[in-house]
Amino acid sequence: DAGITQSPRHKVTETGTPVTLRCHQTENHRYMYWYRQDPGHGLRLIHYSYGVKDTDKGEVSDGYSVSRSKTEDFLLTLESATSSQTSVYFCAISDAVNQPQHFGDGTRLSIL
Amino acid sequence: KNEVEQSPQNLTAQEGEFITINCSYSVGISALHWLQQHPGGGIVSLFMLSSGKKKHGRLIATINIQEKHSSLHITASHPRDSAVYICAPDTGRRALTFGSGTRLQVQP
Repeated sequence: DAGITQSPRHKVTETGTPVTLRCHQTENHRYMYWYRQDPGHGLRLIHYSYGVKDTDKGEVSDGYSVSRSKTEDFLLTLESATSSQTSVYFCAISDAVNQPQHFGDGTRLSIL
Repeated sequence: KNEVEQSPQNLTAQEGEFITINCSYSVGISALHWLQQHPGGGIVSLFMLSSGKKKHGRLIATINIQEKHSSLHITASHPRDSAVYICAPDTGRRALTFGSGTRLQVQP
């Protein structure tokens, strides 16, 4: 299995608090992605990175920011969490475009 | 309009049955991925294909690029195949677009 670790795996927090999710990989893959998964919507792209300090927005990027200061880590930050951001968040990596993506185990985030 | 449509949304089968899950998409693609998500939540890549057919064990994936359609077949289904199966067309530009998944339950 691809070496991808998401942390934390579960988090409960309150509206208005900042939250940072971490994705760590040991595969030296260039591409990293953050998705959210909600019932009825499937997986939706939040942000992705195509290299260190190179990131771009996905289809549901409002309220989220990302950073990638080194190849192995991709951080997702909710500056001021809202209840609509309650979701399961998945990180994925791939070696190149048009290659399979390997997924982390997900982070279940609840915002009360 | 959804770019990716999967059918059926839910499927219950008896052990041993032949299963087909369909995926239709509206965008031009360079490849299509099939993923499996077990009840525990982990997501695994099953296939990536850009033409024809691929086979891995009891799983077979086919794609018709001209008709913008792909199918995932499971032969001799088993309860351990119970999962959500997700198709994801790959436009080759950036990240994938995902279908909402087909929930499969295989009963013993």
